[in-house]
Amino acid sequence: QKEVEQNSGPLSVPEGAIASLNCTYSDRVSQSFFWYRQYSGKSPELIMSIYSNGDKEDGRFTAQLNKASQYVSLLIRDSQPSDSATYLCAATQRNDYKLSFGAGTTVTVRA
Amino acid sequence: GAGVSQTPSNKVTEKGKYVELRCDPISGHTALYWYRQSLGQGPEFLIYFQGTGAADDSGLPNDRFFAVRPEGSVSTLKIQRTERGDSAVYLCASSKGGQGGSPLHFGNGTRLTVT
Repeated sequence: QKEVEQNSGPLSVPEGAIASLNCTYSDRVSQSFFWYRQYSGKSPELIMSIYSNGDKEDGRFTAQLNKASQYVSLLIRDSQPSDSATYLCAATQRNDYKLSFGAGTTVTVRA
Repeated sequence: GAGVSQTPSNKVTEKGKYVELRCDPISGHTALYWYRQSLGQGPEFLIYFQGTGAADDSGLPNDRFFAVRPEGSVSTLKIQRTERGDSAVYLCASSKGGQGGSPLHFGNGTRLTVT
């Protein structure tokens, strides 16, 4: 079992719609969770971090964490063509310094 | 301020050759990481430095891979006797403290191609 798994995608949504990305993790003691955006040919860029159960909103992005279910998600509201990218979910492991990444979900926003 | 800087941005080398990849982290960041990313995959952990020492090198695939950070700032990833399977983007990242609450900031990566 991989440490972090994401729904495989690709995900195509019309402009203005909500894009919903899901991620599960295997290490029950993981403490910190991150969503990175990666444009084609570029390096990952941090867009959200979440550490406690519940929702965290930042502009059009909302991260949701459920530690009991070992599940973290990202919602992108009012999707824009500029949101087209691969979204990487990451979780720290037991030692709390090493980030493990999922394979990423590629999102395409159709104008 | 300046971000994480990696050089070269692209490196093409022949199978069996030796390569060095350089990373200059954000000033003041004590933690430095090397990751490797293959096409269609997420970054894969290689090694973590806290200061000058390699605190965790469990991700290095074999003894052909070695990394140093002699003065606690710039790091060099060294690959001996390169193989075609080493072809990937090598990403360096730094963070303030190295603990989970300190997000990683990535450089633009070095794309290594072994022919």
